[in-house]
Amino acid sequence: GESVGLHLPTLSVQEGDNSIINCAYSNSASDYFIWYKQESGKGPQFIIDIRSNMDKRQGQRVTVLLNKTVKHLSLQIAATQPGDSAVYFCAENYGGSQGNLIFGKGTKLSVKP
Amino acid sequence: KAGVTQTPRYLIKTRGQQVTLSCSPISGHRSVSWYQQTPGQGLQFLFEYFSETQRNKGNFPGRFSGRQFSNSRSEMNVSTLELGDSALYLCASSATGPRFSPLHFGNGTRLTVT
Repeated sequence: GESVGLHLPTLSVQEGDNSIINCAYSNSASDYFIWYKQESGKGPQFIIDIRSNMDKRQGQRVTVLLNKTVKHLSLQIAATQPGDSAVYFCAENYGGSQGNLIFGKGTKLSVKP
Repeated sequence: KAGVTQTPRYLIKTRGQQVTLSCSPISGHRSVSWYQQTPGQGLQFLFEYFSETQRNKGNFPGRFSGRQFSNSRSEMNVSTLELGDSALYLCASSATGPRFSPLHFGNGTRLTVT
């Protein structure tokens, strides 16, 4: 499959461990955030979203934490599995007429069996 | 529900040619966004359409254009292709648009310009 990014930050974890992927977003006016997972040869897949009126949201095996004070977003994956190996992107939206999503550069997660 | 479908999956074109990419959104979704993905620049926004109207446009030259049909299907066109246009072009749909509604992506069209 194609490479989705050169020199991406890489996080390597053992299967069964918890993973934490971090993201610093750029615009203090951003009020909507999304995490995506992209596997080789595929498009980004929606994982979880959060609005700025929340600081935590949980999904199935995933939790997103938002710290607006320091413009920081994190994605926690519980009991990481080999199928979680992918590139993870955070995206922010700060509005405007209708706005658009601004994507981060991505973090590559590698899960060791 | 079927996901976002993009055709073709792969394209090889020569500099100076033009190309048209197609996107069928998730049924019921009226917003379609297009992104360009390259290793160097990451995911960059091209434009967004809603009910056949372009609502938002990124910082790409006028060689990049798009349109949306009444059935919400969308096409993007790149004219006078340059080597730097080689990229993965991603289409995404959402119910109402990027504001508080997640985008759902297709698997993209891989364009190679030689």
